[in-house]
Amino acid sequence: DSGVTQTPKHLITATGQRVTLRCSPRSGDLSVYWYQQSLDQGLQFLIQYYNGEERAKGNILERFSAQQFPDLHSELNLSSLELGDSALYFCASSVGADAGELFFGEGSRLTVL
Amino acid sequence: GQSLEQPSEVTAVEGAIVQINCTYQTSGFYGLSWYQQHDGGAPTFLSYNALDGLEETGRFSSFLSRSDSYGYLLLQELQMKDSASYFCAVKGNRDDKIIFGKGTRLHILP
Repeated sequence: DSGVTQTPKHLITATGQRVTLRCSPRSGDLSVYWYQQSLDQGLQFLIQYYNGEERAKGNILERFSAQQFPDLHSELNLSSLELGDSALYFCASSVGADAGELFFGEGSRLTVL
Repeated sequence: GQSLEQPSEVTAVEGAIVQINCTYQTSGFYGLSWYQQHDGGAPTFLSYNALDGLEETGRFSSFLSRSDSYGYLLLQELQMKDSASYFCAVKGNRDDKIIFGKGTRLHILP
């Protein structure tokens, strides 16, 4: 158990819908990262937050948005969902902004029908 | 931009040693990490190299050569439970994102 909690574990929805994925980092960690992993693909970086502020951004679609709240939990919002958005979404956390070690949650598996 | 290359698959025999290579292209260099991911599971951290040389953690070791933009993960005394995907990840500069390679699937034969 990494200490990072993600909900929901599984989510099935239809095209055009909107979903919110939630992540609670390990106690004491200030950085949160979001990654997308499609079938047989590597981990695609979406976005990083550090202590409530956006730290780094990847090729995150405009339909996707995220934020980190004062209690350090983070949410990833995916809207106007398409079939291609079906993937495993991982949240990870680290103590600092530039840590070399990330602790991953178990992921949220999104299926868009 | 940043990119990483690692073999897609490697096969080895139980009890043997295997090396998984990773080459990277970044505008700067902050550190190289390795992660293990079993099917259906979350990636778990194995090692981190910021300086040249070998880092050893039990049966796993990781090597870095910054001048060659190259690193490798060495797994010794392979066990069947080591069958998994292994990812290298690089951070180019301090403010850069951490990007992952596509992963190397390790198959272990009895």
